[in-house]
Amino acid sequence: DAGVIQSPRHEVTEMGQEVTLRCKPISGHNSLFWYRQTMMRGLELLIYFNNNVPIDDSGMPEDRFSAKMPNASFSTLKIQPSEPRDSAVYFCASSFDRGTEAFFGQGTRLTVV
Amino acid sequence: QKEVEQNSGPLSVPEGAIASLNCTYSDRGSQSFFWYRQYSGKSPELIMSIYSNGDKEDGRFTAQLNKASQYVSLLIRDSQPSDSATYLCAVNTYTGTASKLTFGTGTRLQVTL
Repeated sequence: DAGVIQSPRHEVTEMGQEVTLRCKPISGHNSLFWYRQTMMRGLELLIYFNNNVPIDDSGMPEDRFSAKMPNASFSTLKIQPSEPRDSAVYFCASSFDRGTEAFFGQGTRLTVV
Repeated sequence: QKEVEQNSGPLSVPEGAIASLNCTYSDRGSQSFFWYRQYSGKSPELIMSIYSNGDKEDGRFTAQLNKASQYVSLLIRDSQPSDSATYLCAVNTYTGTASKLTFGTGTRLQVTL
């Protein structure tokens, strides 16, 4: 398996623009996590899905952030409109649920100017 | 109180010494515990998992879990310069519908020559 695949690897956008981050989990995994990592706050859980259903989105910073998982092999995290304070590395991870190990994608480094 | 707490470091140890990394967590219902290693600019990489009280050894790494004290630790024997990285403690709590994986902010380890 290729592991968790995220795209793009780097994204530079202007303030106010819409940004969409993409994730393909490991085949067979049924839990998917979106994290944001910054120097100040570390690795923050934004939202997680189980069997394509959002379970807990309490970590989503505000209404500008939204996430979807239309099927077991694809998820998106959207920011609209983007702001400079959204600049961070966004990671997607997947696991086989029930407390097993989660594996991370390579991350998307987002810069909002 | 943060859900998962770690000392941010840096923890500096000489080559060949034992590095001891510690983590506490707040949710007594947590069931699974993990240590991830993250090199600068890279994604977190799973190095150890532990599910029951006691010690678990894997090569130079030993994970220790004490659920009564809500404490997890990682020992790295014969520390090498290549072990220099940030070590993230992660705690998995099953919510009844899905598993939530929460991370500490990480401890930066520096292994000196």
